Amino acid sequence: AQKITQTQPGMFVQEKEAVTLDCTYDTSDQSYGLFWYKQPSSGEMIFLIYQGSYDEQNATEGRYSLNFQKARKSANLVISASQLGDSAMYFCAMKLNQAGTALIFGKGTTLSVSS
Amino acid sequence: EPEVTQTPSHQVTQMGQEVILRCVPISNHLYFYWYRQILGQKVEFLVSFYNNEISEKSEIFDDQFSVERPDGSNFTLKIRSTKLEDSAMYFCASSETGGENSPLHFGNGTRLTVT
Repeated sequence: AQKITQTQPGMFVQEKEAVTLDCTYDTSDQSYGLFWYKQPSSGEMIFLIYQGSYDEQNATEGRYSLNFQKARKSANLVISASQLGDSAMYFCAMKLNQAGTALIFGKGTTLSVSS
Repeated sequence: EPEVTQTPSHQVTQMGQEVILRCVPISNHLYFYWYRQILGQKVEFLVSFYNNEISEKSEIFDDQFSVERPDGSNFTLKIRSTKLEDSAMYFCASSETGGENSPLHFGNGTRLTVT
């Protein structure tokens, strides 16, 4: 069975600095997708970035990039130039290549950005 | 941008009562999901739905739960006889293809409180 591990319950960063949120995963499948979601205090779940297991390039979306190291089974989220609005819970998630299967979430990391 | 909408945003019910949570997925999406998040905790998969059938369900999704797509736009989660431990945020999500490269787009959630 697949598993997502986020070992950092909380992270603190100052505005304009970069921060890395860790995520490791475990699956025996060769084809899978990795996702990061942001959950602000208001509660909604916002999709940030996706990385496919066969993608050779690391995914980037604006200030978000995904540091994908397949051999280490890690998919860390890097947020560059942090902003106060980045303060939120961040979830790493994984989905196997079978239509309709569950997106499995890690426990999340709370990011606090200070001025 | 198209979005998933959920109603109501808050629902308070007494233990033993039936509740129906409603969702309108993104119109061209084929796969629909329900997740729940007990306050501040992990996001847990309940069920996925495709072509008017359940694709996958978790251990949480027992006989007290059911899902339905009563018309071409709505997707509902029914809890037949609510328990105190059903108190949680319930998220509906939809995915265009359901594959590992198809992100889930979440609604803003329904906060269910069972008293």
